[in-house]
Amino acid sequence: EVQLVESGGGLEQPGGSLRLSCAGSGFTFNNFGINWVRQAPGKGLEWVSAISGDGRTTDHADSVKGRFTISRDNSKNTVYLQMNSLSAEDTAVYYCAKGGFYDVRGYFSWLFDHWGQGALVTVSS
Amino acid sequence: QSALTQPRSVSGSPGQSVTISCTGSSSDVGDYDYVSWYQQHPGKAPKVLIYDVTKRPSGVPDRFSGSKSGTTASLTISGLLPEDEADYYCSSYAGSYTFVFGPGTQVTVL
Repeated sequence: EVQLVESGGGLEQPGGSLRLSCAGSGFTFNNFGINWVRQAPGKGLEWVSAISGDGRTTDHADSVKGRFTISRDNSKNTVYLQMNSLSAEDTAVYYCAKGGFYDVRGYFSWLFDHWGQGALVTVSS
Repeated sequence: QSALTQPRSVSGSPGQSVTISCTGSSSDVGDYDYVSWYQQHPGKAPKVLIYDVTKRPSGVPDRFSGSKSGTTASLTISGLLPEDEADYYCSSYAGSYTFVFGPGTQVTVL
C-alpha cells in the first residue's frame, strides 16, 4: 500500500525557516516524482514544488521560487521542502503527493495519485 | 503558471447531473491529455476521481466522467448523491514536472 507521511510542520515567525519531510513507502521510491501542494485556510489547492525520481529535475511555483527548495534522499525514501523567508501568506496545510504512475503497458500518467495527510504550517508573530 | 478557471459553485438535486468546466490555456490543458480531477471533503486530503482526461481509478463510481475539448476540460457527475457534496478541483500537467490547479468548485446537493 502506498503511503506518504509528512512531518515538520508547526508555528514559525515571519522571516523564519522550516523544513518539511515526506516519507514514502509501498512503492519504488526513486522511480517517481514527488510534489508539494498547499492549501491556505479556506482556500484552494496550489501546486508548490516538484522533484523527479532521481532528484535531477526540480521546479517551484513562482510564489515560492527563490525561497523554497525541494530535495530528496532516496536512501531514506524521503523528500524535503526547505522553506525560508516565510510570510503569513505561506500559512497552509502542505501535502506531499506522488506524481503519477505507470500502467501495465508502461504508459506514464501525470497526476497526484496518492496524497499524504498534510502538515500544517502557521506563520505568525 | 496561471491557474485554471472553474465556476465557484454548482448545485443539483439528488439524481440529477451536474457538469463542472475547467478552462486552461495552450500551455496546459490544450497541450497535454493529463487533466485530472480531485474531490475533497472538509478536513480531508484530496482524492483523485479522473485522470488522463477520461480515466477513472479503480473504486471510483462510473457516475463520474471526464472530457476535454481544446483548452476546456469538464467533469460530469451523474445521478447526484448526498455524499457528492464536496469541493472539486481540476488540475493539468504543464510540462517539466509542473502542474496547475483550478480554484475549486463547491458542489451542493440540494
